[in-house]
Amino acid sequence: QQQVKQSPQSLIVQKGGISIINCAYENTAFDYFPWYQQFPGKGPALLIAIRPDVSEKKEGRFTISFNKSAKQFSLHIMDSQPGDSATYFCAASSNYGGSQGNLIFGKGTKLSVKP
Amino acid sequence: DGGITQSPKYLFRKEGQNVTLSCEQNLNHDAMYWYRQDPGQGLRLIYYSQIVNDFQKGDIAEGYSVSREKKESFPLTVTSAQKNPTAFYLCASTDGGGMRKQYFGPGTRLTVT
Repeated sequence: QQQVKQSPQSLIVQKGGISIINCAYENTAFDYFPWYQQFPGKGPALLIAIRPDVSEKKEGRFTISFNKSAKQFSLHIMDSQPGDSATYFCAASSNYGGSQGNLIFGKGTKLSVKP
Repeated sequence: DGGITQSPKYLFRKEGQNVTLSCEQNLNHDAMYWYRQDPGQGLRLIYYSQIVNDFQKGDIAEGYSVSREKKESFPLTVTSAQKNPTAFYLCASTDGGGMRKQYFGPGTRLTVT
């Protein structure tokens, strides 16, 4: 119940296209859903995050869509660029129970944007 | 500059040796974390500390040890009991605010032969 399932494992998109990465969770106590971007050999960096009281959050070309009833959330990258090529991780956390706000990460999606 | 530093970036050790990875933060964060990253496995939590002089095991703590004697420092020791220590190790800290933003260091790649 603590898992966050992320798909696809890898994604190839043409420059200018839309990249979509999906995540699903079971624990209804999760109340914070961030996305991280990681370049090879670097630490992950927080990209965008959402709370379940909103269905969508947009920051520049990056949008999180959140479906509370389906327990799913997704990252959309509009007008994808070669510089967006990286591994993306979704995560979820809750301050309730014994988790103490620790993040539970998906296994990551390797995005390649072709010029 | 505020942030998290990890040293060294690359570390090589012989099997059977203990090795300590450094993690320092000047963000004044109370909570600090150690993760291990293997290809296709995502980030797995090794240990975390919510406050100085206190820490808890994560999902894969066997073969690792930590200390938290100072707020800004959270070193990780990979002991000889860790069966497969070669991996990319990431340290992180959290601002403790409502959004629980977690910030990561640049990582240390450990190779044990």
